[in-house]
Amino acid sequence: NAGVTQTPKFRVLKTGQSMTLLCAQDMNHEYMYWYRQDPGMGLRLIHYSVGEGTTAKGEVPDGYNVSRLKKQNFLLGLESAAPSQTSVYFCASSELRRTSTDTQYFGPGTRLTVL
Amino acid sequence: GENVEQHPSTLSVQEGDSAVIKCTYSDSASNYFPWYKQELGKGPQLIIDIRSNVGEKKDQRIAVTLNKTAKHFSLHITETQPEDSAVYFCAASRTASKLTFGTGTRLQVTL
Repeated sequence: NAGVTQTPKFRVLKTGQSMTLLCAQDMNHEYMYWYRQDPGMGLRLIHYSVGEGTTAKGEVPDGYNVSRLKKQNFLLGLESAAPSQTSVYFCASSELRRTSTDTQYFGPGTRLTVL
Repeated sequence: GENVEQHPSTLSVQEGDSAVIKCTYSDSASNYFPWYKQELGKGPQLIIDIRSNVGEKKDQRIAVTLNKTAKHFSLHITETQPEDSAVYFCAASRTASKLTFGTGTRLQVTL
């Protein structure tokens, strides 16, 4: 199993450009997440999904959109990139357990720079 | 919402010594407390977790303790080795879908 993979690994954008980050998992997990990691701020949840066709806002959703058309994929979109969105983005997935939380498995990250 | 504070932000120990990282949380309903290790250029990886119905959990050189009354939990690494050098994150959650992370501790194990 490849686990959680992210595409691309690096990207440089100009202010106002758009892009989509792709996350794929082959563990048949129901839950998927997008986080951003900034120096001194840990990981902050952007959006998450509890199943195919569903999405929900996390702690810092503004400026991002997401889609979960297939169970194994979770896309993060930036419609009009801003320098404040320069960050490392991590995708994660976990199993569905109705009575308890479960381990989140993280991808290797995408380093995005917005000029 | 939940707020997790983590200390120290950096920690340097000599090989063979112990390292302790502490976290406090604000939401008394939180019931799941994982610890993640992040090596340079990689995503975080779970190393140990504890649920609110236990006070301590051990896995070889790693242990986590939880004090629900005081709302704090700690990571203990004994007999540290150079490969333990990494950034460590604590987190807290009361649902299956939302982890709130601390700001991280950079651990450096020196020879």
